Formats: sequence, C-alpha cells, structure tokens
Amino acid sequence: AQKITQTQPGMFVQEKEAVTLDCTYDTSDQSYGLFWYKQPSSGEMIFLIYQGSYDEQNATEGRYSLNFQKARKSANLVISASQLGDSAMYFCAMREGFGYSTLTFGKGTMLLVSP
Amino acid sequence: DADVTQTPRNRITKTGKRIMLECSQTKGHDRMYWYRQDPGLGLRLIYYSFDVKDINKGEISDGYSVSRQAQAKFSLSLESAIPNQTALYFCATSDIQNTEAFFGQGTRLTVV
Repeated sequence: AQKITQTQPGMFVQEKEAVTLDCTYDTSDQSYGLFWYKQPSSGEMIFLIYQGSYDEQNATEGRYSLNFQKARKSANLVISASQLGDSAMYFCAMREGFGYSTLTFGKGTMLLVSP
Repeated sequence: DADVTQTPRNRITKTGKRIMLECSQTKGHDRMYWYRQDPGLGLRLIYYSFDVKDINKGEISDGYSVSRQAQAKFSLSLESAIPNQTALYFCATSDIQNTEAFFGQGTRLTVV
C-alpha cells in the first residue's frame, strides 16, 4: 500500500483564487511529520510547510496552510490567492517516527495557474 | 552559495560506463540522502546515511553504490550505467529533528 497518496495528477486554478491539493497518508506510528514541497519547472525542490503529528494547530506559512485532519489521515495543502508563479509540481511527503527515519514522497500534483 | 551542492548538474553518459554524482553540504547535518525522480513516480529513496559511519539501502538501491567521505560529502555511483537509470537525482540533508529536508539543485542524468 502506498504510504502517501496524491489523487490529483493535475489541477487548474485561476489567478487570485484559492486551491487545495489533496494528500492522504498511511502510517501506524503515533509520531510522524508531513511535508509539502514545490518543484517549479527549473527542477529544484522548495520546502513549503511542515506539520508534526502532535501539532494541534494547522501549520501556516504565508499563503500556504496545511489542513491537517488526523482522524482522516489527510494533510491537504491550501494555497490562498494563487499567483502565476505557483504553477509547479507539488509533492506531499511523510516522515514516520522520530529520530532515524526518511522521507517518503507521493507522486505529485501538477498545478497550473492561469491569468 | 547553496547549502547543498550537487555536481555535475547535467550529465550524458554511455551504457556501461561508471559515473559518480557528488554532493556536498554546508548545513552541518549528519543525515544525507540520495533520491531519484522519474516522471509520474515522485521521488524514491536510493541510499541514505545517518552519520559518517552509517550507510543504508533505500527502496531502489540495485545498480547504485554510495560513499560517505565526510560529514559534508555523500557521493552516489552507478557502477555500470543503463538507460533506465536516466532520471533526475537529488541529494538531500536533514537535521536530527527531521523537520525539514534541504535538497540540492538536482543532477539530470541521461544514459544513452
């Protein structure tokens, strides 16, 4: 079974609108972390936001927020007021446990923002 | 200067050749990783190292080897390159709390 599932291969949104990118995860660990990365066409991986499993509040970083629903095992990324520069591939990832663990990535969602 | 530097950035090599991808970091992190990205598959872990004396296989280690020369350096080798190793390769580092992984710019490798 996939540990990280991103069900939207592609998403379209108009500039200035909000968009939600879906991510569900599968783990039996009580302690884990969830990450979102952005990959523009230039190829680099840009860290956007992190949510720990024990964090009670949803993480926010500027226009990015993470809608964390622990019972549903979902960690959706919300981008408010989309900009043309938000067009990119977005990856959800998970770290299981504390200490010695690695990141497992989903397959990504391509977001296209139109004027 | 970038925190995580990969060299080369682009490489075309022939089938059967040995090739090394290098990674160096200035973050002072103990943990380093090599990932491979293929279209539609996301990033998959090849090898990782939690400190200088530690090397671990990831999900797709066959055909690859690594060397951790120092805390700051972690290189990936393809002993005998094959065309299906054509991909974008990323090196990454993280601190002990693992709340963020820092990625290099990526190495685009083409095996012909």
